[in-house]
Amino acid sequence: ETGVTQTPRHLVMGMTNKKSLKCEQHLGHNAMYWYKQSAKKPLELMFVYNFKEQTENNSVPSRFSPECPNSSHLFLHLHTLQPEDSALYLCASSQTSGRSEQYFGPGTRLTVT
Amino acid sequence: AQSVTQLGSHVSVSEGALVLLRCNYSSSVPPYLFWYVQYPNQGLQLLLKYTSAATLVKGINGFEAEFKKSETSFHLTKPSAHMSDAAEYFCAVSETGGYQKVTFGIGTKLQVIP
Repeated sequence: ETGVTQTPRHLVMGMTNKKSLKCEQHLGHNAMYWYKQSAKKPLELMFVYNFKEQTENNSVPSRFSPECPNSSHLFLHLHTLQPEDSALYLCASSQTSGRSEQYFGPGTRLTVT
Repeated sequence: AQSVTQLGSHVSVSEGALVLLRCNYSSSVPPYLFWYVQYPNQGLQLLLKYTSAATLVKGINGFEAEFKKSETSFHLTKPSAHMSDAAEYFCAVSETGGYQKVTFGIGTKLQVIP
């Protein structure tokens, strides 16, 4: 595997379910990110982790719970979601140097019913 | 505070015609600027980035962008559009480089007409 991978690619869940999204980066990066992409809205940064430590929580509801066990893996635990949480969830990674860019995974298309 | 504005949520060009996608930014410090492309059912892929070196930046797939400080612009161009260029394009700005907080524009969908 190369780059940034995300599983599952598609997820349908009910509002009472608990599920998790997984992201893995094979680039040796130290920073990882979760973004939410909804139609007709700018990409929304949700969480940032640097060296496994959370450094940004962009006022995300507590029904989204991130976990970063090491610099290569990032999870997003989901519980009691709302229909408006349906979106494409993108994971990204980068080096922590100032000139680096972010590398994105293909995303998980989440539908909350 | 940093922000980015992309003018035109949809742009249509004929195959072989010039592609021009507009981006204006706001930043309190010299910015890092990026253009990303997103094809259907895929994540974002970096096209090019400006990091205070040359003001004309060349990227992949024949795209380039010019940083104009006086106009606070970073427009994306390609001399001749190809059908495979149909995608959504995102301009992004960061005051801290590519990590931490990057602010993305709303995106411009490019349609290429045969």
